[in-house]
Amino acid sequence: DAGVIQSPRHEVTEMGQEVTLRCKPISGHDYLFWYRQTMMRGLELLIYFNNNVPIDDSGMPEDRFSAKMPNASFSTLKIQPSEPRDSAVYFCASSLSPTGTGELFFGEGSRLTVL
Amino acid sequence: KQEVTQIPAALSVPEGENLVLNCSFTDSAIYNLQWFRQDPGKGLTSLLLIQSSQREQTSGRLNASLDKSSGRSTLYIAASQPGDSATYLCAGAGAGSYQLTFGKGTKLSVIP
Repeated sequence: DAGVIQSPRHEVTEMGQEVTLRCKPISGHDYLFWYRQTMMRGLELLIYFNNNVPIDDSGMPEDRFSAKMPNASFSTLKIQPSEPRDSAVYFCASSLSPTGTGELFFGEGSRLTVL
Repeated sequence: KQEVTQIPAALSVPEGENLVLNCSFTDSAIYNLQWFRQDPGKGLTSLLLIQSSQREQTSGRLNASLDKSSGRSTLYIAASQPGDSATYLCAGAGAGSYQLTFGKGTKLSVIP
């Protein structure tokens, strides 16, 4: 398996623009997680899905953020409108089980810069 | 809410030295604790997973321990190599949460 695949790897955009980040989890993994990593706050969980259903989105910072998982092999994280403070590395991860019990596999991240 | 702290933020050691990385957490009812490695510009790679019923896990030159009563975990790296240079993060899952809370990591540099 190719692992968790994220795109784009780098995105530079201007404030107010819509940003869409994409993720393909490892085949067979029932859990998908979106994290955000910044120097100040470290790694934070934004939302996670189980069998394509959002389970906990309490980490989503604002209504400008939304995430979908239309099928088992694809998820998106959308920011609309984007702001400079959204600049961060966004990671997607997948797992066979809740992170309380199983290993978590990360993608290589999408580095977002909002000017 | 589980809080995870890693001190120091950075560590530099000469090649061949044995070293210990520290991780502390606030909720002793931790479900499990995981150690990850992150290389620059890359995602996180899981190194070791310790379930709450376990005290340690070993993989090659790495050994991780978990002491729930003191709220601490350590990652021991034996005979360090330049290739071990990376940021090491620990993450704990609190009981009833199943979600990982990450520390901010310790950046390790192994000097040849």
